Amino acid sequence: SQQGEEDPQALSIQEGENATMNCSYKTSINNLQWYRQNSGRGLVHLILIRSNEREKHSGRLRVTLDTSKKSSSLLITASRAADTASYFCATDGYQAGTALIFGKGTTLSVSS
Amino acid sequence: GAVVSQHPSWVICKSGTSVKIECRSLDFQATTMFWYRQFPKQSLMLMATSNEGSKATYEQGVEKDKFLINHASLTLSTLTVTSAHPEDSSFYICSARDRGKAAGYEQYFGPGTRLTVT
Repeated sequence: SQQGEEDPQALSIQEGENATMNCSYKTSINNLQWYRQNSGRGLVHLILIRSNEREKHSGRLRVTLDTSKKSSSLLITASRAADTASYFCATDGYQAGTALIFGKGTTLSVSS
Repeated sequence: GAVVSQHPSWVICKSGTSVKIECRSLDFQATTMFWYRQFPKQSLMLMATSNEGSKATYEQGVEKDKFLINHASLTLSTLTVTSAHPEDSSFYICSARDRGKAAGYEQYFGPGTRLTVT
């Protein structure tokens, strides 16, 4: 099962530009997480934002969460070619022992 | 940090054979482990939830007789793909929750196993 959609599905930008990806979900959550995945590789955890938080920063990453709209956004500032990857949001429910449910992902391509 | 390993990292097998994939939590105990499947250019789809010492819970549409899951200890879960067919070719990823932490902490993911069935 999947929670919802990521928008856009694909994004192409130039180095130095900012990249914004959006994620919508359907059910109540305890937290929302963003992951990166390079082609054919495993997941890299980027950032976790709890349901009572509205914004969080980590380096060049900025995540927002709007629980009333059931949506989140990931902003990558000053993008680099190395940021080229797929980005997924994943929601974590309240019950202990439940799995993360992933969105469909956004494929980001950063050209130099 | 918490580490989850998977073995093998990639495997090629012939149609009709069975393949076992191991998932281990290296420095923590995992009461619950999860198995995901990812087809090319798609997202991760949860296949099953594995609890130590009990039967796995499978997501709708996942054949439990085809994908056998065993969670015999707090640090090891195995996924066996029985009578594999080319359509089972995929990237299989396991993850685990730290038994010592409450809900709300991130799951720890293994690096994945690439299965190719010829």
